[in-house]
This record gives sequence, C-alpha cells and structure tokens, in this order.
Amino acid sequence: QQQVKQSPQSLIVQKGGISIINCAYENTAFDYFPWYQQFPGKGPALLIAIRPDVSEKKEGRFTISFNKSAKQFSLHIMDSQPGDSATYFCAASIGAGGTSYGKLTFGQGTILTVHP
Amino acid sequence: NAGVMQNPRHLVRRRGQEARLRCSPMKGHSHVYWYRQLPEEGLKFMVYLQKENIIDESGMPKERFSAEFPKEGPSILRIQQVVRGDSAAYFCASSPRVRGLSYEQYFGPGTRLTVT
Repeated sequence: QQQVKQSPQSLIVQKGGISIINCAYENTAFDYFPWYQQFPGKGPALLIAIRPDVSEKKEGRFTISFNKSAKQFSLHIMDSQPGDSATYFCAASIGAGGTSYGKLTFGQGTILTVHP
Repeated sequence: NAGVMQNPRHLVRRRGQEARLRCSPMKGHSHVYWYRQLPEEGLKFMVYLQKENIIDESGMPKERFSAEFPKEGPSILRIQQVVRGDSAAYFCASSPRVRGLSYEQYFGPGTRLTVT
C-alpha cells in the first residue's frame, strides 16, 4: 500500500521535445507529491511538488499533473534540454496525523536522456 | 543559507569495521530523515529524527544500525560490523516540517559507503 510505481524506467527525448514521466500510487492517505532530480554523484534536488487539492502546478518548464481519482500524477518537462538529462524520482508522503511523519516513499526512478 | 551538509562524501570500510556518517541539517530545520540508495534503485526511508529523539526507525535494519540527533552537533548514522551489502549511498534530508503537514525535504550530497 505504500508503493509508488514509476514509468518509464528510461526515456530518450530530442532537444525541444516534451518529456513525460508517470507515477501511480495506492495509498489514498498520501497528501504530498514531490518530484526530485538527481545527477550522477549528487543528492536529489527538489524540483516541484503538489498537494491533492489541485490538479496541476507549473513552475517554469516543469508541470505536475495530478489525477486524484486515478491515483496518478505525472511530470511534464517542456522544451527539454540536454542539461535536463538526469534521473527523476517521484515520491509521496503522508503528513497529517498517523505514524508516517512525512517520510517519503520513492518511485524507482526514470533515467532521462535529452539528445541535442 | 548553507544547504544540508554530509560528511564524509566517500567512505571505504573493510568488512567488520564501523561506519559513522554525519549530517548537518539546513539552518532552522529540526527534522532529519535518513535514506539509503542501493545501486540502480530508488531511495528507501531508514529513520526520522528530531533533536534528541528518534521518532520513526521503521525502515532501519534491527541490527548493526543506529541513529542519533543530539541537542548539539550533527545527526549521526552508525553502522557497526559493516558487510558488503551495506555498500550504498546514504542521504540525509532536512525539513522545516510543521505538525500535520508534509513539508519539503532538502537532501544533502550523500555519503557513498563502499565495503571491501
């Protein structure tokens, strides 16, 4: 029930294209959904996050789409650039009450390669 | 404002030795989470601490692993009698988390532990 499933495992996109990464979850108690970007040898960096009371959030070229009824959320990277080549992780957490204390459950990661 | 600091960045230990990993959270953050990333895998939650308290250690192996976050100084993740399977990247994240909400977690650069 705590699992977050991420797809695809790897993604190749041409420069200027749109990169789309999808995640699905089971636990309806999740109330916070961040996306992280990780470069080799570095720690994950918070990109953008959404809460289930909104269906979309946009920050620059990055957009999260959230479908509460389907228990799915996705990251869209518009005008993808070679510098976006990295591993992307979706995650989910439960903050309010209970015994989850905001700990993050991560997807398996997507390796994005943007060709120039 | 300095980010999350971890040291050492790389640590090599022989089987049976002890590994001590340190994490200094961002200024003003009093919540620390530790995660482990095995090769080619996503991050897995290990333990959540507040100053002088272990709140949730449900993701930490019962034996050989311990964590602390003293009143003064960094959080420490200690692994006793390391085995080859402990080789991984260990990340800590800090959060300004307010009761009842899932707040952003900011990750450090990680400590890459290699057990020979």
